[in-house]
Amino acid sequence: QSALTQPPSASGSPGQSVTISCTGSSSDVGGYDYVSWYQQHPGKAPKLMIYDVSKRPSGVPDRFSGSKSGNTASLTVSGLQAEDEATYYCSSYASSNNWVFGGGTKLTVL
Amino acid sequence: HVQLVETGGGVVQPGGSLRLSCAASGFTFRTSGMLWVRQAPGKGLEWVAFIRHDGREKFYVDSVRGRFTISRDNSNHTLYLQMNSLRAEDTALYYCAKDLPHYAMDVWGQGTTVIVSS
Repeated sequence: QSALTQPPSASGSPGQSVTISCTGSSSDVGGYDYVSWYQQHPGKAPKLMIYDVSKRPSGVPDRFSGSKSGNTASLTVSGLQAEDEATYYCSSYASSNNWVFGGGTKLTVL
Repeated sequence: HVQLVETGGGVVQPGGSLRLSCAASGFTFRTSGMLWVRQAPGKGLEWVAFIRHDGREKFYVDSVRGRFTISRDNSNHTLYLQMNSLRAEDTALYYCAKDLPHYAMDVWGQGTTVIVSS
């Protein structure tokens, strides 16, 4: 049940695009199409942004998109806005009925 | 209005016990898998436990297996987490969450804080 690997920080200017990576193994990210992404603002509960690798829940702007290649999943935020500044966590189902999260990436909008 | 409200957190000595509750409303609780996720102070998210909609399957992270028990009361729309033999490393904000499903959590409570300290 090792945590997924995310970069600790990322940044971009308003209007730019930023991509956050999430690296796991064939036992989690690479083995299942059950990767999800969460946005967490300070002092708030996490919010689901992407599920099933690339699907967006109702109400999530289409500026947020997800993808996966091998053991690495990615979240791309296009057209960065000030309110996108938050910590983003990836998560994946893992073998033997486990769920694993990444360590989180703090996104700064410059 | 879809909502999850956790209660039951507090300060407990190492080796002690606590029972967390999570009251659900605004969705069909009895058909939803439910999870507990925790976040230690200044740290990331950690999945703790999952229970199937009917309570027949339960899964735990290795670090709590044998000490924590997840359960649910579908008639009262409530999820529980019984925590025994608590350790300092269990100190965290505990969230309950609804399974989308597909192993994603689409509804989260506001969390309840557990502090294990002598």
